[in-house]
Amino acid sequence: DADVTQTPRNRITKTGKRIMLECSQTKGHDRMYWYRQDPGLGLRLIYYSFDVKDINKGEISDGYSVSRQAQAKFSLSLESAIPNQTALYFCATSDYRQGGETQYFGPGTRLLVL
Amino acid sequence: GENVEQHPSTLSVQEGDSAVIKCTYSDSASNYFPWYKQELGKRPQLIIDIRSNVGEKKDQRIAVTLNKTAKHFSLHITETQPEDSAVYFCAALASGGSYIPTFGRGTSLIVHP
Repeated sequence: DADVTQTPRNRITKTGKRIMLECSQTKGHDRMYWYRQDPGLGLRLIYYSFDVKDINKGEISDGYSVSRQAQAKFSLSLESAIPNQTALYFCATSDYRQGGETQYFGPGTRLLVL
Repeated sequence: GENVEQHPSTLSVQEGDSAVIKCTYSDSASNYFPWYKQELGKRPQLIIDIRSNVGEKKDQRIAVTLNKTAKHFSLHITETQPEDSAVYFCAALASGGSYIPTFGRGTSLIVHP
């Protein structure tokens, strides 16, 4: 089945380290997103991309950067990790041809910054 | 930008009871309102949605209602079952615009057997 996958699924890192979270999809969707989930704060958008050459900041982009290497791949980087970036990170996709509204989420990456 | 408020943050019911989760939105341009269910340890998944040209939509035991004038929409679950226990997120977006959803903070629904 076509899916959205994320690697790694769990990651522990130290303050100041640079880390990358990767997202791949076999759905053939053009749009990709990175969200952060914190208890009581819901899903907050970090970055989104509507096409390979398109990158847009979301609500909480400070401290993060992204790369859309191909239509199927969208990576999130934490340049210098800090403890308050400890969270559950979700990648998502949507398909403009189907209206672009429904978000299809990956399984999530649980990040702990010590 | 859009602001979505969701209440309650936690809802505890007995099996068989009904559950209602309410969301309000601020941007009158929003015209598409999805609801996502996230079971423990799983990814959020769309369960039902409604567009602004419809006042109510049903799918078996779940329904969503929309009041455009008051800018609020609600999720109704009847005859709740333990497998309904999950976190539910509402969202609002302007279809035909940016297509970027704004999510509510989530409601943790607990259904006691």
